[in-house]
Amino acid sequence: KNEVEQSPQNLTAQEGEFITINCSYSVGISALHWLQQHPGGGIVSLFMLSSGKKKHGRLIATINIQEKHSSLHITASHPRDSAVYICAVKTTNKLIFGTGTLLAVQP
Amino acid sequence: DTAVSQTPKYLVTQMGNDKSIKCEQNLGHDTMYWYKQDSKKFLKIMFSYNNKELIINETVPNRFSPKSPDKAHLNLHINSLELGDSAVYFCASRGQRINQPQHFGDGTRLSIL
Repeated sequence: KNEVEQSPQNLTAQEGEFITINCSYSVGISALHWLQQHPGGGIVSLFMLSSGKKKHGRLIATINIQEKHSSLHITASHPRDSAVYICAVKTTNKLIFGTGTLLAVQP
Repeated sequence: DTAVSQTPKYLVTQMGNDKSIKCEQNLGHDTMYWYKQDSKKFLKIMFSYNNKELIINETVPNRFSPKSPDKAHLNLHINSLELGDSAVYFCASRGQRINQPQHFGDGTRLSIL
């Protein structure tokens, strides 16, 4: 079992839908990252959070340290949001990655 | 003005060859990383360097040798390439302050024939 689990693995949504991607982890962490990887491969850091909630445009990330769980929400989804979303937790000196969620937003 | 740049972007070579991937960051960061992303898109850390010193080596075969000539560069040399080395390799860097995000390069897709 991976130390960082994401669900769902694959997600197809219609444009405009509200999307939630979940991440659960089993190790002690100092922070959690949400990353986005588009087809073609580049990885972009969306959020890094250690408590509470962060918002950037249509993206919202929350974390519950006690429950070892984080969610990434996308409001009013758009086809350009189609990508792989990766949760990664920061332990003492390294990142441990989830297996990613492949999101396809259809027009 | 790419912050973390890797070269080459694509590398196709035969089994048994030796190859290098270069990484440079212009962010003034102290810590650099190499990650491997397999065919299932799973990312895993390989190495981490802080100010040219190795701090993480995640049981990577010793055919892989990172070299950091200065804190802005972390190159990855791979000897005797094997089929299983086919993957996308990502370089990343991070500043010193606690919980700063990592900045990733665009990746190098290595294909072994």
